[in-house]
Amino acid sequence: DIVMTQSPDSLAVSLGERATINCKSSQSVLYNSNNENYLAWYQQKGRQPPKLLIYWASTRESGVPDRFTGSGSGTDFSLTISSLQAEDVAVYYCQQYYTTPHTFGQGTKLEIK
Amino acid sequence: QVHLVQSGAEVKKPGASVKVSCKASGYTFNTYGITWVRQAPGHGLEWMGWISPYNANTNYAQKLQGRVTITTDTSTSTAYMELRSLRSDDTAVYYCARGAKWFAPWGQGTLVTVSS
Repeated sequence: DIVMTQSPDSLAVSLGERATINCKSSQSVLYNSNNENYLAWYQQKGRQPPKLLIYWASTRESGVPDRFTGSGSGTDFSLTISSLQAEDVAVYYCQQYYTTPHTFGQGTKLEIK
Repeated sequence: QVHLVQSGAEVKKPGASVKVSCKASGYTFNTYGITWVRQAPGHGLEWMGWISPYNANTNYAQKLQGRVTITTDTSTSTAYMELRSLRSDDTAVYYCARGAKWFAPWGQGTLVTVSS
């Protein structure tokens, strides 16, 4: 199985400041035939179900604010929130869909400093 | 608008089985896979398996092989996840989600509690 490791486990950032969450996969999730990275990011607030933010490592889901940006390739990825808003407090997960089982990172808890 | 609505919470004894439903609306059911993911209390997300409503192809997590079955009823646009031989560590919120690669949207979740 591909192991997804996020860092840090928790993060406190001031309102309006930048937050960056990292995700590392135990093997590359870049599919050479189409040059796509098989990686998604989700946001989970409280007891709500997760919400898709990003797929193909950098494609924003419809309706997701443009302060959320996904980047990276191969085994190293990042989710950046350019200017933290109060409503961004949540746990964030990365997920690979390169191969089954489609594994998730352990989650990063984002709080307001 | 796309919605996935799941069945209600369940309490089961160890060794029993549970079957959770997931009714889809707002899109053509056969055109997207349905994935099941679970989340144990205070823990992260675990992919359980996937089904194609188009041809009923399935793919299950190795650790659940033999205990889990995912099916669909295309006449009612409903997916089902059955988990057998329940153990205490199967206590979790079970989610269905549309998609085979990335998942959106998700159902509201179904809490399954396994307790004697």
